[in-house]
Amino acid sequence: EAAVTQSPRSKVAVTGGKVTLSCHQTNNHDYMYWYRQDTGHGLRLIHYSYVADSTEKGDIPDGYKASRPSQENFSLILELASLSQTAVYFCASSSGGNTEVFFGKGTRLTVV
Amino acid sequence: AQSVTQPDARVTVSEGASLQLRCKYSYSGTPYLFWYVQYPRQGLQLLLKYYSGDPVVQGVNGFEAEFIKSNSSFHLRKASVHWSDSAVYFCAVSATGNTGKLIFGLGTTLQVQP
Repeated sequence: EAAVTQSPRSKVAVTGGKVTLSCHQTNNHDYMYWYRQDTGHGLRLIHYSYVADSTEKGDIPDGYKASRPSQENFSLILELASLSQTAVYFCASSSGGNTEVFFGKGTRLTVV
Repeated sequence: AQSVTQPDARVTVSEGASLQLRCKYSYSGTPYLFWYVQYPRQGLQLLLKYYSGDPVVQGVNGFEAEFIKSNSSFHLRKASVHWSDSAVYFCAVSATGNTGKLIFGLGTTLQVQP
């Protein structure tokens, strides 16, 4: 079964600290994505990647970096966490094109 | 620019009643449309998708949606809802290009009352 696993599932971070969210997929998919979910904003794309060692900016990349060290793993990095980055973050994968996108269960990040 | 509008932030229906959740999109060209459902503290799960062909598409758990090009709409329907259908429903359109990126609406929270 297709699977996207995120860790941690929840995290409390201090303002100005570094946060790394991890994602692992066993779907053998080329594409991976990081979305952010805020109340009233739906899901918005932060970064995505279609091949290892390469990442692309999504619609709201400011304040975030991404890393794709292998096909299976995709990380989201907040170098200097801010209060405004409190949200739920979803990782996803797909084969690209217009195929189904599979989502992880999300990471609830609270920045204090 | 591509966009998706879900005009109803919250819908409340009684168990056994019929349901329609509205979705309108803005897209130049042929859209690829999706409905996803999010249960509490879960990721998004695909309900159904439309690529081409029959404008009425069937999904899981008795859901269906109808693509109406003239109205730029892709409303989700179910004949008889169950309390377990309570969740947040997202309509999405695939962005141009071959990247699989999705553009989401804000979502509609469905509450089914017993």
